[in-house]
Amino acid sequence: EAAVTQSPRNKVAVTGGKVTLSCNQTNNHNNMYWYRQDTGHGLRLIHYSYGAGSTEKGDIPDGYKASRPSQENFSLILELATPSQTSVYFCASGGGLGGSSAETLYFGSGTRLTVL
Amino acid sequence: SQWGEENLQALSIQEGEDVTMNCSYKTYTTVVHWYRQDSGRGPALIILIRSNEREKRSGRLRATLDTSSQSSSLSITAAQCEDTAVYFCATGAGAKLTFGGGTRLTVRP
Repeated sequence: EAAVTQSPRNKVAVTGGKVTLSCNQTNNHNNMYWYRQDTGHGLRLIHYSYGAGSTEKGDIPDGYKASRPSQENFSLILELATPSQTSVYFCASGGGLGGSSAETLYFGSGTRLTVL
Repeated sequence: SQWGEENLQALSIQEGEDVTMNCSYKTYTTVVHWYRQDSGRGPALIILIRSNEREKRSGRLRATLDTSSQSSSLSITAAQCEDTAVYFCATGAGAKLTFGGGTRLTVRP
C-alpha cells in the first residue's frame, strides 16, 4: 500500500508567522502535490512537482512556496501566514511516469491549519 | 455537475437506487480520475478512465468519458449506505491534476 505521511496533523499559527507543512512518501513516485480543501469546496491545487528539485505553480499559488529537496519529501511553506490560509491541506504523490497525471494519486491524511 | 471553484453539490438517495454524478471539464485532459473521500480522510481513487476509453467498469461503478463534450460521469448501481461519501472528479494533462467541486452523496437506509 502506498504511503504518504503528512506532518503535523494539526497546526495553529499566528498571523504573519512562518508555517512549514511537510510531506513524505515512500512510494518512489515522481509527482507530488499540495492541495487545500475548504469546507464545502473541492480540492484546489497550490503547487506540484515532477521530481526532486522541481516545483510548479498550481491554480492558487499566491502566498505559498514549495520545496522538493528529494524524491521522498515535498514541503509547503507559508512565509507570512494569514487567516485566509486557514484550511485543510492535503499532500499527494503519483507515479506519473514522464510527468503524466495518468496514474493513481495517493493522499495523506491532511493537515488542519488554523491561522489566528 | 461539478467543476473547479463550484461549491460542493449534494445528492440524497435511498439504498438500492442507482445514481449518476456528472463532471464537466474546461481544458484538454488525457485522463479523468474519480475519487471518494470519507469524512476526516484524504481522497482515494475509485476509478480512472483514459481519453481513449469511453467507458470503464469496476464492480458497481461505471465511469464514462465523452471528450467531444468534455464531460465524464460516475454511476453507482444499487447504492449501499457505505457508498455515502464525497465524490470528486479530477482531470489533467501532464502532471497537473485539477479537481472538481465534488458531490456529497448520502445513501439513506
